[in-house]
Amino acid sequence: NAGVTQTPKFQVLKTGQSMTLQCAQDMNHNSMYWYRQDPGMGLRLIYYSASEGTTDKGEVPNGYNVSRLNKREFSLRLESAAPSQTSVYFCASSDLIPGGNTIYFGEGSWLTVV
Amino acid sequence: RKEVEQDPGPFNVPEGATVAFNCTYSNSASQSFFWYRQDCRKEPKLLMSVYSSGNEDGRFTAQLNRASQYISLLIRDSKLSDSATYLCVVNRGGSYIPTFGRGTSLIVHP
Repeated sequence: NAGVTQTPKFQVLKTGQSMTLQCAQDMNHNSMYWYRQDPGMGLRLIYYSASEGTTDKGEVPNGYNVSRLNKREFSLRLESAAPSQTSVYFCASSDLIPGGNTIYFGEGSWLTVV
Repeated sequence: RKEVEQDPGPFNVPEGATVAFNCTYSNSASQSFFWYRQDCRKEPKLLMSVYSSGNEDGRFTAQLNRASQYISLLIRDSKLSDSATYLCVVNRGGSYIPTFGRGTSLIVHP
């Protein structure tokens, strides 16, 4: 009963280091998303992938890259981490129903950049 | 004006109370609506969809008012375990991107 699985759950990075957050879903969903959540800011969309082979920028894409490796996997890369990227990151997936999505989230990845 | 707006609260209520939250949305092309629940340091999880005619799930009732462009969530007989943040989610027709409100915090105390 995995749903959306993301790793790692916790990570501490030094400024300038790079890392990749991994995400996989087993619900055969077409659409996948990466969000960040900061206190008082709510969920903000970083990137999304409406279907395999496509990716698009969301509200806050700067400093991030993504790869939709296949239908199951959608990774988020921080090329040169900055303290402003300290946040909780959620991967999510949903059915391909424009205007009718129910979205399912992973458990989150807590990232601290020092 | 934000696309989806919620009162952040917190709403502080005693056990057994009835509490209601509203969420307003600005895009009249919005087609589907949901309430999610998020516990502290956890991921958001679907609480219930919101249907045009209104719908109930146990102690929870959701309503949609398209004319005034808001949805509501009513919780009856509040439990301590209802303490959480409640997120309003709105989908525009033709969009793959759900829009989340910032959430309303509910604290139920003994």
